[in-house]
Amino acid sequence: SQQGEEDPQALSIQEGENATMNCSYKTSINNLQWYRQNSGRGLVHLILIRSNEREKHSGRLRVTLDTSKKSSSLLITASRAADTASYFCATDAWAAGNKLTFGGGTRVLVKP
Amino acid sequence: EAGVTQSPTHLIKTRGQQATLRCSPISGHTSVYWYQQALGLGLQFLLWYDEGEERNRGNFPPRFSGRQFPNYSSELNVNALELEDSALYLCASTLGQQGWGYTFGSGTRLTVV
Repeated sequence: SQQGEEDPQALSIQEGENATMNCSYKTSINNLQWYRQNSGRGLVHLILIRSNEREKHSGRLRVTLDTSKKSSSLLITASRAADTASYFCATDAWAAGNKLTFGGGTRVLVKP
Repeated sequence: EAGVTQSPTHLIKTRGQQATLRCSPISGHTSVYWYQQALGLGLQFLLWYDEGEERNRGNFPPRFSGRQFPNYSSELNVNALELEDSALYLCASTLGQQGWGYTFGSGTRLTVV
């Protein structure tokens, strides 16, 4: 079963615009991670936010975490065509047995 | 530093055969995870190995098995292949502690015909 559910499933934007995607989860977590996948290949770790953190930045990426709502968002600012990929949130929770549980992903298309 | 390496990149097998997929973690990483990404089904957790032991297993039949070697590399075996086993199999390694991101390999694309 999927712990995280992502919204939207797909997103199409113009280069330079911001892209925002959301992730909701069901159980208490230790941390939440975001990954990117290009063309069905391996996943690339983008950012990790711990359960006691509310916001984190990494370059053009901004992640928020609201544990009261069990939700997270990933914002990509000033998007580039190279940002075209699928983005997945993944939760890390003791209850899940120390494994990552992934959401269904958001497919992002950045048009040049 | 080399990343997580998986072999082979592509594998084509006939229904009923066995497949063996291999993964070498990043040097120093003791935990190896296997995930299946089938079309339309997202990433499903298969197995977690740490320090040579199977620590957790996903909701997959026993014909999915594996092992971790003393050098922390890992092997995933799928017996009696079925058509629905066709998927991208991803291996990831981490330091084996909570709170670290995972490093994924590029995956093995298994096609069962």
